[in-house]
Amino acid sequence: SQQGEEDPQALSIQEGENATMNCSYKTSINNLQWYRQNSGRGLVHLILIRSNEREKHSGRLRVTLDTSKKSSSLLITASRAADTASYFCARRLSADGLTFGKGTHLIIQP
Amino acid sequence: DTGVSQNPRHKITKRGQNVTFRCDPISEHNRLYWYRQTLGQGPEFLTYFQNEAQLEKSRLLSDRFSAERPKGSFSTLEIQRTEQGDSAMYLCASRTATGTDTQYFGPGTRLTVL
Repeated sequence: SQQGEEDPQALSIQEGENATMNCSYKTSINNLQWYRQNSGRGLVHLILIRSNEREKHSGRLRVTLDTSKKSSSLLITASRAADTASYFCARRLSADGLTFGKGTHLIIQP
Repeated sequence: DTGVSQNPRHKITKRGQNVTFRCDPISEHNRLYWYRQTLGQGPEFLTYFQNEAQLEKSRLLSDRFSAERPKGSFSTLEIQRTEQGDSAMYLCASRTATGTDTQYFGPGTRLTVL
């Protein structure tokens, strides 16, 4: 079973707007990662945030982590058509594989 | 391009047939992972290798599935006696043993079992 859950499951916004998606998880983490998947490029790593970090930026991406609430959010600012994709949060399992949520499907309307 | 590569990209087979997929990781990466992804779901972990040693297998990896990494470089995933429920995208990823947990994924092999 998948232990991370992204919310919302689907999001449609206008180009130029900001997109926010959330991830909740159940067990403790060392870090949490966000990945993007689209048909053209497969699954691509976006950003990793460690458990002792509260916020991290990478270009137009901002990730926050609240370990007390076991939740993370991914903000994409000034969205572009190319941001249309599915976004997944991922955590490491007990050994080494990653566990992913079901993802948020983001559509950027032109 | 020195990313993770997978072959074939698509495979259509009939129920009961055996199939084998190949993954070539990034050359300096000694850890290699296999995942399965069905429509509308995120990837699910199947197994991983450090060099040639298979260190963990998910309960999803039934006895019809076997993975190998004989020389610690490329890996194969074989599914015997395929079932329609095996239809999915099979993803391979790799990373170095040191550093962060970031994994680098290949484009996947899409399996359709008729």
